[in-house]
Parts: sequence; C-alpha cells; structure tokens
Amino acid sequence: GAGVSQSPSNKVTEKGKDVELRCDPISGHTALYWYRQSLGQGLEFLIYFQGNSAPDKSGLPSDRFSAERTGGSVSTLTIQRTQQEDSAVYLCASSSGQGGNTIYFGEGSWLTVV
Amino acid sequence: AQKVTQAQTEISVVEKEDVTLDCVYETRDTTYYLFWYKQPPSGELVFLIRRNSFDEQNEISGRYSWNFQKSTSSFNFTITASQVVDSAVYFCALSEARRGDYKLSFGAGTTVTVRA
Repeated sequence: GAGVSQSPSNKVTEKGKDVELRCDPISGHTALYWYRQSLGQGLEFLIYFQGNSAPDKSGLPSDRFSAERTGGSVSTLTIQRTQQEDSAVYLCASSSGQGGNTIYFGEGSWLTVV
Repeated sequence: AQKVTQAQTEISVVEKEDVTLDCVYETRDTTYYLFWYKQPPSGELVFLIRRNSFDEQNEISGRYSWNFQKSTSSFNFTITASQVVDSAVYFCALSEARRGDYKLSFGAGTTVTVRA
C-alpha cells in the first residue's frame, strides 16, 4: 500500500504474555519511528531506526521492550511479559530520512493487556 | 523540559465559528521544523503542514491557516468557518536538526469539538 501499514489493528492479551507488533513503512523510507499513546496521554517516542540500525532507543520504557528492523523495511516491536500499564496505542511512522521531511504515521496497533 | 506547549487542552465551538490553536516551542537549534497533525476519532495521525525555521511565511490551505512567528516561538493554527468534521485532537510537533534523527517532539494536543 501507499501508506504506513501496521498489524494487528487490535490486540487483547493476558498479562505476562509476549506480544509482537508489526510495521510496514512507506516504500523507500529509510527512517522508521515507534511512538506510544496511552489513554489520555500524549505521544511518547520509543525508538528510531535509520535503515536497520537503531541509533536512538532512548524512549523504550523498560528492558521488556525491544524492536528490530530487517531489510531496511519491516519493523517489529516486541513487548515481553506484558503488564497492564503497557495498554496503549502503538504508532509507527516513517520518513525519507532527509532533514525535516514529513513523518507519516500508520493507524496504530491498539494493545489491551487484561 | 517541554519542547512544545499547547496551552489549550480543549476547545468547543459552534459550527462556522473560527478557532485558533496555540503552539509555543522551545529549541536552541537554528534549523528546525514545525508540524501540525490531526487525530480524528479513528486514531490515525494525519499530517497537515510542515514549516522550516527559515520560512516564516504564513500559509493558507482552504479553511486552514498557520501563523509562524520566530520572535515569539509560536506556530499557531486557525480553522476558519469550522465544521463538525474538524472535530479531532490536534498536535503541534517540533523536529530539531542537530539531533540527526529528526524525531518529533509533540505537544500534549488540543481537543477541538465542533457542535452543529
């Protein structure tokens, strides 16, 4: 597709289980970002990829969170041993990586931990 | 420190009224970029505009207009003759060149409700 694609759209998981969220960026975009938006909260940066490298992981909230990107394209955000406070919308975005270029967002993955 | 401040949490207007959303930013960079995004109830963040720090020209796009003033570090957004479809959360964001990653720092968002 033409836009940033994320899956699943919705995920309900039990506390303690692991979850994987997938992001397929716009074709040709070298920069990829993950953000989190909790209920009533703002948009929180998690991690940034340039190609397959992640030079900025500063936003990952704990070591239960990890992400990888392969082939300079698809990225997976993994949350291990999920907690209720992990419930949020996880938004993926991509850009061409050039300074100031527009960052386009996907529709998000709604995660609910019960 | 908060880089982007959107002082208005919620704004409610009647259709056809104008509404202005304030955004104040903070940066030490000379090169930076400012953005506005719209988040309708469906949840997707929709890009509205990008402005770089060297271009203070105001912009109008249909019913939307933006006023960028470096002297006051503000990048305000006006919706003229609002419509019910404008109801959404609007986010202002800053991207700083020195970071290299150009990641966005978002304001807290302003919820706009347009009543018929």
